[in-house]
Amino acid sequence: TQLLEQSPQFLSIQEGENLTVYCNSSSVFSSLQWYRQEPGEGPVLLVTVVTGGEVKKLKRLTFQFGDARKDSSLHITAAQPGDTGLYLCAGDPYGGATNKLIFGTGTLLAVQP
Amino acid sequence: DSGVTQTPKHLITATGQRVTLRCSPRSGDLSVYWYQQSLDQGLQFLIQYYNGEERAKGNILERFSAQQFPDLHSELNLSSLELGDSALYFCASSVAVGVSYEQYFGPGTRLTVT
Repeated sequence: TQLLEQSPQFLSIQEGENLTVYCNSSSVFSSLQWYRQEPGEGPVLLVTVVTGGEVKKLKRLTFQFGDARKDSSLHITAAQPGDTGLYLCAGDPYGGATNKLIFGTGTLLAVQP
Repeated sequence: DSGVTQTPKHLITATGQRVTLRCSPRSGDLSVYWYQQSLDQGLQFLIQYYNGEERAKGNILERFSAQQFPDLHSELNLSSLELGDSALYFCASSVAVGVSYEQYFGPGTRLTVT
């Protein structure tokens, strides 16, 4: 069974702090995506990483895909209250048109003003 | 707004009943995915349809079934409902981006079984 473990599960920080969320697996993924979900809403795609070692930046968010394509991290610089939400990583183990995503366990982030 | 629509937003029903959830994908997207999100199981893939045909199956119970119609909207049918089926049900559609596919999620249907 392919699993994606995220850590930490919960994170409560003050505005302006930096943080890193980790997404780990023993399986290789053809691509990995990060989503953010707010209460009662559907997940919103933030980024897709495909190549081992790839780094992508989205304003204050930096995403990295591990060299072996088994893990990923999300780093947020100078967190703001608007960053509050559930962060989910999701891996595609097969690639191609069967885009059967395996979702991580989630990291619930609360940024206090 | 992702462009994926789902109805109804909320559904309350009793054990043993049957319900139908509806999803319309983004314009032009041929794939529809169904997911279940519960507190203890997280977000779980149920099933994928592509242009009317079943493409992939996940942890979908035999009491659940889905179909995709010629106009590409999809329905998820849940029958003989149990208390444990209470969850958020999401639909997503996807678009190819390079070698990967990006999924866009609808707002979800919150099902409560009493």
